[in-house]
Amino acid sequence: AQKITQTQPGMFVQEKEAVTLDCTYDTSDQSYGLFWYKQPSSGEMIFLIYQGSYDEQNATEGRYSLNFQKARKSANLVISASQLGDSAMYFCAMRPTNAGGTSYGKLTFGQGTILTVHP
Amino acid sequence: DSGVTQTPKHLITATGQRVTLRCSPRSGDLSVYWYQQSLDQGLQFLIQYYNGEERAKGNILERFSAQQFPDLHSELNLSSLELGDSALYFCASSAINRYGYTFGSGTRLTVV
Repeated sequence: AQKITQTQPGMFVQEKEAVTLDCTYDTSDQSYGLFWYKQPSSGEMIFLIYQGSYDEQNATEGRYSLNFQKARKSANLVISASQLGDSAMYFCAMRPTNAGGTSYGKLTFGQGTILTVHP
Repeated sequence: DSGVTQTPKHLITATGQRVTLRCSPRSGDLSVYWYQQSLDQGLQFLIQYYNGEERAKGNILERFSAQQFPDLHSELNLSSLELGDSALYFCASSAINRYGYTFGSGTRLTVV
């Protein structure tokens, strides 16, 4: 079984500042993938970034980076230079992968963190 | 446009009624997943289909059922609706690749 914990129900950040959204996980799978999704008020789920459990380097996608600490079972999302449009709900999620790194099966989500960016 | 199409976008119906939500996956994707997002339960996996066959089941009520057709589109049927079924229902599709998940824009169901 997999479990994702996001302990911050809400976070506030000033525009142009960096913010870290916390995510810890628990799984019995040897190989897995970690995902972050953004859900704006319009409701759609937008994929942000992916980290495989055997990836040696932390993932980065533009202003998003994933601080992956496998021993601590954490996969925090760092958003640099926050913008007003970053205000949204953010979900951490995970999915098992096979030995080749291919994801399969359902995504397990955390409860989400609401991020508010102040001008 | 993510490539996954869900219809309708909004649905308002009365308790006890039955509704059908439709999902067309991204071209080439064989797997379809259904999720329910409610305020108290968060995002919950309901069911997965792969190339027409049920592959995995999650927290899906007996009043709910789904199927995937030969053209790979999927339908989620919700019957004997209760107020607590009000939620955002997402469909997602995946292919065999590293990331694999594309979400539709969701169907917002309101039961009154």
